[in-house]
Amino acid sequence: AQSVTQPDIHITVSEGASLELRCNYSYGATPYLFWYVQSPGQGLQLLLKYFSGDTLVQGIKGFEAEFKRSQSSFNLRKPSVHWSDAAEYFCAVGGRTGANNLFFGTGTRLTVIP
Amino acid sequence: DAGVTQSPTHLIKTRGQQVTLRCSPKSGHDTVSWYQQALGQGPQFIFQYYEEEERQRGNFPDRFSGHQFPNYSSELNVNALLLGDSALYLCASSLFPQNAEAFFGQGTRLTVV
Repeated sequence: AQSVTQPDIHITVSEGASLELRCNYSYGATPYLFWYVQSPGQGLQLLLKYFSGDTLVQGIKGFEAEFKRSQSSFNLRKPSVHWSDAAEYFCAVGGRTGANNLFFGTGTRLTVIP
Repeated sequence: DAGVTQSPTHLIKTRGQQVTLRCSPKSGHDTVSWYQQALGQGPQFIFQYYEEEERQRGNFPDRFSGHQFPNYSSELNVNALLLGDSALYLCASSLFPQNAEAFFGQGTRLTVV
């Protein structure tokens, strides 16, 4: 069975500091991995995705993520956080048909302090 | 280019009633998936429609049903509403068969009282 674990429920960082959000997954085959961001009361916006190839993927808004098969991880990073990055972040794993049936983690809420 | 649109944005229903939520996919997309997001949780997959048929289904009871129309828009129906059905319902669209990216709507906030 597939599962996604986001061990950090809530993270607080200072504006300009670096950020890393953790994601561990369990899936029986090569996973399709995604990071989404959700602002309060809003839908989900895709930050980046990994299907195959280069294990370091670049996304929008200056985010990147690295797929590490040996650790079953897909951590999200950003070198310098902006106040507008405050939101809820979700890691998701897709099945063999890509983004059709996504299994989400419980999310990490990011607070950015001035 | 309109993205995924959902209606209504909010609604309040009484326990035991029935509700219908609507979704129009992003232009050019032919596959619609529905998710339920309870407060403080990640979205959970309900089901997916392609070519007007339910193709995949998550762990949801038969009270949850859907439909896809020839123009690819979709409806989610929930019968015999329970208090626990209160959630944000998200619709996502993608293009078969690549399905490389799912675009989400803003969601419908359903409150059951």
